[in-house]
Amino acid sequence: AQSVTQLGSHVSVSEGALVLLRCNYSSSVPPYLFWYVQYPNQGLQLLLKYTTGATLVKGINGFEAEFKKSETSFHLTKPSAHMSDAAEYFCAVRGGNTDKLIFGTGTRLQVFP
Amino acid sequence: SQTIHQWPATLVQPVGSPLSLECTVEGTSNPNLYWYRQAAGRGLQLLFYSVGIGQISSEVPQNLSASRPQDRQFILSSKKLLLSDSGFYLCAWSKIGSRNEQYFGPGTRLTVT
Repeated sequence: AQSVTQLGSHVSVSEGALVLLRCNYSSSVPPYLFWYVQYPNQGLQLLLKYTTGATLVKGINGFEAEFKKSETSFHLTKPSAHMSDAAEYFCAVRGGNTDKLIFGTGTRLQVFP
Repeated sequence: SQTIHQWPATLVQPVGSPLSLECTVEGTSNPNLYWYRQAAGRGLQLLFYSVGIGQISSEVPQNLSASRPQDRQFILSSKKLLLSDSGFYLCAWSKIGSRNEQYFGPGTRLTVT
């Protein structure tokens, strides 16, 4: 079965500091992994995805994530936080041999000046 | 380019009243379509999934139903709303294939009073 665990429902950083949002997955098939961002009262927007190939994936808004099979992780990072990064972030894994996605419970990122 | 629309954006309905939320996709054909619910402070719950006209998979037993009368139209309905139906409803689409990301609509905020 497939599942996603996001460690830390809330993360707070200062503007300019490193952002690290953690995601661990479980999958019985080769994982396809996704990070989405959601701003208040809006839909989700894709930040980046990993399917195959290079394990370090770069996305929009300066975010990147590294697929580590040995650690079953896909953590999201950004070197320098900006106030506009404050939002909720969701990690997702494909739902087995289907087109469905299994989402984590989300991490709310706060950025302080 | 592809776009996804949802309406209404917000809705306040009394308990026991019917519900109809609509989602349409433009700029693509034969998409997979999804309905999610996001309750306050919680992650995304997949409600329904459709791979084609008239083909609906229900993910959780509930007070809601879905229909896909046209290729790019997805409707979420209820005959009698419950208080527990309150939440943020998101429609999404994807191309066929598990490597493909889902694209989300702007959402409908439903409050059942």
